[in-house]
Amino acid sequence: KQEVTQIPAALSVPEGENLVLNCSFTDSAIYNLQWFRQDPGKGLTSLLLIQSSQREQTSGRLNASLDKSSGRSTLYIAASQPGDSATYLCAGRMNRDDKIIFGKGTRLHILP
Amino acid sequence: DGGITQSPKYLFRKEGQNVTLSCEQNLNHDAMYWYRQDPGQGLRLIYYSQIVNDFQKGDIAEGYSVSREKKESFPLTVTSAQKNPTAFYLCASSTRLAESYEQYFGPGTRLTVT
Repeated sequence: KQEVTQIPAALSVPEGENLVLNCSFTDSAIYNLQWFRQDPGKGLTSLLLIQSSQREQTSGRLNASLDKSSGRSTLYIAASQPGDSATYLCAGRMNRDDKIIFGKGTRLHILP
Repeated sequence: DGGITQSPKYLFRKEGQNVTLSCEQNLNHDAMYWYRQDPGQGLRLIYYSQIVNDFQKGDIAEGYSVSREKKESFPLTVTSAQKNPTAFYLCASSTRLAESYEQYFGPGTRLTVT
């Protein structure tokens, strides 16, 4: 059974720093992995999706990587800003017609 | 604008009453999902539907029911049998475009049952 874990549960960093959020999964036979952002009381916003055949995806200051052999994905945020403060969730899909499994998220706080 | 709408944003009900949460999408997505989010528990899948007139139970389907009569709509009914219905409910849909199956979410409905 696929499990997705995100550590730490919460993280505070000063503004301007580069940071890495971690996501690990137990089954390397993953179809794709998606990173989301959630602001308090809001829905989830898709940030990046990495297919199993890809190693990384980039969007602006965000870069997500996928290493199936080690069961890990990372979300790199460059030059962090207070507006980046949110909860970040990763989710893995095992098969294309299957449900996706979510981690519990990392709550990020960027200190002005 | 294309997207997923959920209404209402806040919903209050008395215990013992059934309540239906609306989810509509104009993204032309085949698959739709309902999740429940509780503090410290993450997202849990209630039901999902990959095609009109078909749906499958997720991990916590007891006390809930759904229908998928139209591609654009996937309403969720929280019945009186659901023992702890107060939660934040999120609807999602996913595309098969380029075989990506990327998932998109609505803004959510916060249900409070007293």
